[in-house]
Amino acid sequence: SQQGEEDPQALSIQEGENATMNCSYKTSINNLQWYRQNSGRGLVHLILIRSNEREKHSGRLRVTLDTSKKSSSLLITASRAADTASYFCATDRGAGRRALTFGSGTRLQVQP
Amino acid sequence: DGGITQSPKYLFRKEGQNVTLSCEQNLNHDAMYWYRQDPGQGLRLIYYSQIVNDFQKGDIAEGYSVSREKKESFPLTVTSAQKNPTAFYLCASQTGPLNNEQFFGPGTRLTVL
Repeated sequence: SQQGEEDPQALSIQEGENATMNCSYKTSINNLQWYRQNSGRGLVHLILIRSNEREKHSGRLRVTLDTSKKSSSLLITASRAADTASYFCATDRGAGRRALTFGSGTRLQVQP
Repeated sequence: DGGITQSPKYLFRKEGQNVTLSCEQNLNHDAMYWYRQDPGQGLRLIYYSQIVNDFQKGDIAEGYSVSREKKESFPLTVTSAQKNPTAFYLCASQTGPLNNEQFFGPGTRLTVL
């Protein structure tokens, strides 16, 4: 079963606007990661946030984590057409399962 | 170049045939993973290996098999027992514990005719 569920499933915005994607998960985690996938390609790691962190920044990316609500958000500021891709959250559920669990993804379309 | 490679990029198979997908990495990573991705969906874990000569089933291991005889290589065999094998297959590797990023290969698109 999918641990993470992204919301919305699809998002279309204009260049220059901000894009916000959300991820909810069910069990306790050690960390949460966000990945990007261009159509038909492999995934690329964007950012990792640990369970004891609340916010993290990397360039135009801002990730928040609320462990009480079991949710995370990814904000892309000043979006560009090149940001068009699918974005996935992935969680590490800790001991016993030494593998990430990926959500179903948000497909972002940035119109030039 | 350091990285993770998968071959072939596209693969066609007749029903009833086994097929093996290649995954090689020169990143000196201990852990390797195989995922399946269906159109418009997320990744589902098939098998993973934390160390040479050891591997564990993921969420959808039925109809698949793997081996990990070398640190650099983690081939996936899609057997005839896999009822719906047409999908995009992604291999990944990782160093150390799970608080590190995974590096992904470019993927293999398998189509069963």
